[in-house]
Amino acid sequence: NAGVTQTPKFRVLKTGQSMTLLCAQDMNHEYMYWYRQDPGMGLRLIHYSVGEGTTAKGEVPDGYNVSRLKKQNFLLGLESAAPSQTSVYFCAIQMGLALETQYFGPGTRLLVL
Amino acid sequence: AQSVTQLDSQVPVFEEAPVELRCNYSSSVSVYLFWYVQYPNQGLQLLLKYLSGSTLVKGINGFEAEFNKSQTSFHLRKPSVHISDTAEYFCAVTAFSGGYNKLIFGAGTRLAVHP
Repeated sequence: NAGVTQTPKFRVLKTGQSMTLLCAQDMNHEYMYWYRQDPGMGLRLIHYSVGEGTTAKGEVPDGYNVSRLKKQNFLLGLESAAPSQTSVYFCAIQMGLALETQYFGPGTRLLVL
Repeated sequence: AQSVTQLDSQVPVFEEAPVELRCNYSSSVSVYLFWYVQYPNQGLQLLLKYLSGSTLVKGINGFEAEFNKSQTSFHLRKPSVHISDTAEYFCAVTAFSGGYNKLIFGAGTRLAVHP
């Protein structure tokens, strides 16, 4: 997983609860990404960061917030969870000479009841 | 805008048979192309990638893919599959957007290898 860890591995929430997913990397990469994976839809980009202190919206950012206070950590927050946010969440870092290749963490499975 | 179409959502195949998973993309600019594999309850693992040069790319676990610019395709092949190849396979293309390389995924192809 190219040194990318995600916590927690599993979580069950009730509608309206909040939580934070942590992505941590130990290789000093600048670019980090959060995706969600849903059946038949591949992976969709939620938010991304091109360096410490920077974040930007991806394809499906609504209902999520992110922070990158430290270079090693990229946090994904759900302020008020909804059943539509039941998904598998993947963090990725970007490597390669042209920063062209993304490597993924093991994922967090979230169920919102 | 770039997009990726994986033409088969599911591909059943018998062990030791050859397999081809099809991927077409749309893009008006040069792209990088990738295949990832996801084993059950795991993350995505890079199988292979095309950046430039030879259009036939070899990856891990005996897989290879051929980039065809005229047909905008990047099909994945393996001459003889194993039970352990049962997984979901994702084709992806990069798109340079606003200062970073955005990765656009297809919907995935579920490969089921039967004994």
